[in-house]
Amino acid sequence: DVKVTQSSRYLVKRTGEKVFLECVQDMDHENMFWYRQDPGLGLRLIYFSYDVKMKEKGDIPEGYSVSREKKERFSLILESASTNQTSMYLCASSSSGAPSNQPQHFGDGTRLSIL
Amino acid sequence: GDSVTQMEGPVTLSEEAFLTINCTYTATGYPSLFWYVQYPGEGLQLLLKATKADDKGSNKGFEATYRKETTSFHLEKGSVQVSDSAVYFCALSDQANSKLTFGKGITLSVRP
Repeated sequence: DVKVTQSSRYLVKRTGEKVFLECVQDMDHENMFWYRQDPGLGLRLIYFSYDVKMKEKGDIPEGYSVSREKKERFSLILESASTNQTSMYLCASSSSGAPSNQPQHFGDGTRLSIL
Repeated sequence: GDSVTQMEGPVTLSEEAFLTINCTYTATGYPSLFWYVQYPGEGLQLLLKATKADDKGSNKGFEATYRKETTSFHLEKGSVQVSDSAVYFCALSDQANSKLTFGKGITLSVRP
């Protein structure tokens, strides 16, 4: 079974802090994704990566950056945390077979609160 | 751009009731379609998928048929259980890449 592990289930940080959310997958997947989940808005894509050291902006990249130094690890960085970044963050990975047929596998999420 | 529209929720049903959750989409080309489920306190899990028109995806008693003519992918189950209580997301995948576009999700509660 694919395992996507997010480093923290719950995290509390202060406004202005630099925050790192870590995600590791164990299935040698090429593609990795970061989403945020908010009530009434569903999941929104922040950034994604198709390969090591490669990144692309999703639908809501403002205020975030990412890092992918190794294939199995994809980090989301909040450069200067703000209260409107309080949310559930979900990491996912997928294989790059026929792209549209490959399901994404999700971690359990990190519930981040910015005070 | 691509979009997915799900019916408004939440939905509350009695055990053994019939379930339909509506999902329609807008996309260029021929996307693949997915239903994901999120149980309380967990991440999303793939429930079922369909990759071309008229395909039927099925899993755990749930079914959905890819209807190109109505751009729909409605989720159905003949007899729901309390353990089906969860949030359900409809999603589509662009053929050109691996990105998913999600609907807003709908919460299903099944009472004994």
